[in-house]
Amino acid sequence: KAGVTQTPRYLIKTRGQQVTLSCSPISGHRSVSWYQQTPGQGLQFLFEYFSETQRNKGNFPGRFSGRQFSNSRSEMNVSTLELGDSALYLCASSPAGLASYNEQFFGPGTRLTVL
Amino acid sequence: LAKTTQPISMDSYEGQEVNITCSHNNIATNDYITWYQQFPSQGPRFIIQGYKTKVTNEVASLFIPADRKSSTLSLPRVSLSDTAVYYCLVSGSSNTGKLIFGQGTTLQVKP
Repeated sequence: KAGVTQTPRYLIKTRGQQVTLSCSPISGHRSVSWYQQTPGQGLQFLFEYFSETQRNKGNFPGRFSGRQFSNSRSEMNVSTLELGDSALYLCASSPAGLASYNEQFFGPGTRLTVL
Repeated sequence: LAKTTQPISMDSYEGQEVNITCSHNNIATNDYITWYQQFPSQGPRFIIQGYKTKVTNEVASLFIPADRKSSTLSLPRVSLSDTAVYYCLVSGSSNTGKLIFGQGTTLQVKP
């Protein structure tokens, strides 16, 4: 099976712009979660989608949003970019089965730089 | 969600067994203990998960005492490629899809 793929891998934006990141989960996985990783704050949970519905949300401002499509692919959007949004954005998918809900498969991430 | 505490860093030498202990005093009845490994500029990778006693797979063992307030990840005969950050997480079915990562333990394996 192919792993989790994320596009683009690298992105440079300027303050005030918006950005959309894409994630394709492992085939058959219905849960997609997004995380932000920075040197200062570490790995932080953004949100999780399951069957096109947001099921869990972290403590991020409304500028961060996401969605999931019927094929389980997910997108994450950040509007009005700030310098502090520079980070590695990771997507993870999970089969969301009863015994494996803590086992997530992470993609390589999108490195976002805000100038 | 139960808070986890683990050492910030550890050093070891190739061929040694490494044990990383994580404390989670407020673990709930339905919580599982999960460990992830992360290399620089890569996403974390699931290593092992357990509920109680001992779990072993091809890469590691997880020891969980009866009170479940701590757990120990054991890596047998580490190599240089095991140098990474190791995260201990505690989560249950009520938080499906939401992993809370702490600061992790940076393991440095020396030749």
